[in-house]
Amino acid sequence: EVQLVESGGGLVQPGRSLRLSCAASGFIFDDFGMHWVRQVPGKGLEWVSGISWTGDDVAYVDSVKGRFTISRDTAKNSLYLQMNSLRSEDTALYYCAKDIKDRVDTAMLLGADSWGQGALVIVSS
Amino acid sequence: DIQMTQSPSSLSASVGDRVTITCRASQTIYNYLNWYQQKPGKAPELLISTTSSLQTAVPSRFSGSGSGTDFTLTINSVRPEDFATYYCQQSYDIPSTFGQGTKVEIK
Repeated sequence: EVQLVESGGGLVQPGRSLRLSCAASGFIFDDFGMHWVRQVPGKGLEWVSGISWTGDDVAYVDSVKGRFTISRDTAKNSLYLQMNSLRSEDTALYYCAKDIKDRVDTAMLLGADSWGQGALVIVSS
Repeated sequence: DIQMTQSPSSLSASVGDRVTITCRASQTIYNYLNWYQQKPGKAPELLISTTSSLQTAVPSRFSGSGSGTDFTLTINSVRPEDFATYYCQQSYDIPSTFGQGTKVEIK
């Protein structure tokens, strides 16, 4: 059974940093692209960032470019999102998601067939 | 960025009704369109990929169609467990974008 467990969320002041982690199990982590998708409570879904199965391709939504960095550690079966210079508009529930396609050299979200439970990030003074 | 527009934003239906949700892309996305279901307090679940491919364990009352810019999610004979919010998502171009969601409520 695929499991994705996010951690690292919390309350942070504007301008500060936070690092989200996603521990993956139940599938061959090395073979799949991975993504972060966020959702403001009560609102819609927004893809934030993706990383290809090799880690060679990464992509971001414009609003986080230059501030967020996605990475993966195959030895730890983990996905990360380093979030710097946080803004109030980054407040959301951040989901880790597994891509539906394996071994495709793209950071595009081809489809997310497994999701974590989400990590809540609140940016406020 | 490709804009995805769903309609309606919400609808009320009775158990057994046929429900249709549409999703329009601001430019052609060929068949690179996925549908998700999200229930309150839960993560989204992938229902349909590449316009019409039903995911494993998704009931056959769900179906998807369309191409280019116009797509449809249909629920034949809606059941109580289908009342949720549905999102479309384009997987044609980065950044991937979602529709704003359609909330399906019980009449």
